[in-house]
Amino acid sequence: NAGVTQTPKFQVLKTGQSMTLQCAQDMNHNSMYWYRQDPGMGLRLIYYSASEGTTDKGEVPNGYNVSRLNKREFSLRLESAAPSQTSVYFCASSVGTGYYTFGSGTRLTVV
Amino acid sequence: AQTVTQSQPEMSVQEAETVTLSCTYDTSESDYYLFWYKQPPSRQMILVIRQEAYKQQNATENRFSVNFQKAAKSFSLKISDSQLGDAAMYFCAYYTSNSGYALNFGKGTSLLVTP
Repeated sequence: NAGVTQTPKFQVLKTGQSMTLQCAQDMNHNSMYWYRQDPGMGLRLIYYSASEGTTDKGEVPNGYNVSRLNKREFSLRLESAAPSQTSVYFCASSVGTGYYTFGSGTRLTVV
Repeated sequence: AQTVTQSQPEMSVQEAETVTLSCTYDTSESDYYLFWYKQPPSRQMILVIRQEAYKQQNATENRFSVNFQKAAKSFSLKISDSQLGDAAMYFCAYYTSNSGYALNFGKGTSLLVTP
């Protein structure tokens, strides 16, 4: 099915561990995004990639790194996880004309 | 910092009634798009309605319509004939072309629909 695929769907990490959240889209979209969603805070932009080969910081980039591996894939890495990074993470993509496709989210718990 | 304000953390409506969710935003850009997204407990983000800022006519999608007041930077969502399936979190959002088309979200309004 066409869309945005995020893996994993759930993850529990210990403080200080690292992990990479994967995101892939098969719609040939130029732009991709990573958001985090916390209770009462809505979705906040972590990083985005307006096109292949470019990445930019969003509102809450600290503690994260990203890689736009190719046009399809945009990964989010936590180098040293902290409890404050417990959240639901969403990847999204768009063609820049105002239509977005979201992944189903990754629920990450850091203990 | 978030520049989309949804002043109603929670709203309640009876089935078949009408409810309006409020949203204000702040941008100095003239070219932007506004959105309402629905997020049910499944966490899926579902586009409800979309409005181009340059269009004066308010967007409508079946039972959903918006009241777009550009000068006031207000973008409210009206849900008519509310249904139990409308119960969800609703997020107002906008993007401008100078931010990589990244959506800027409000904190959301939780809508409860009672029988």
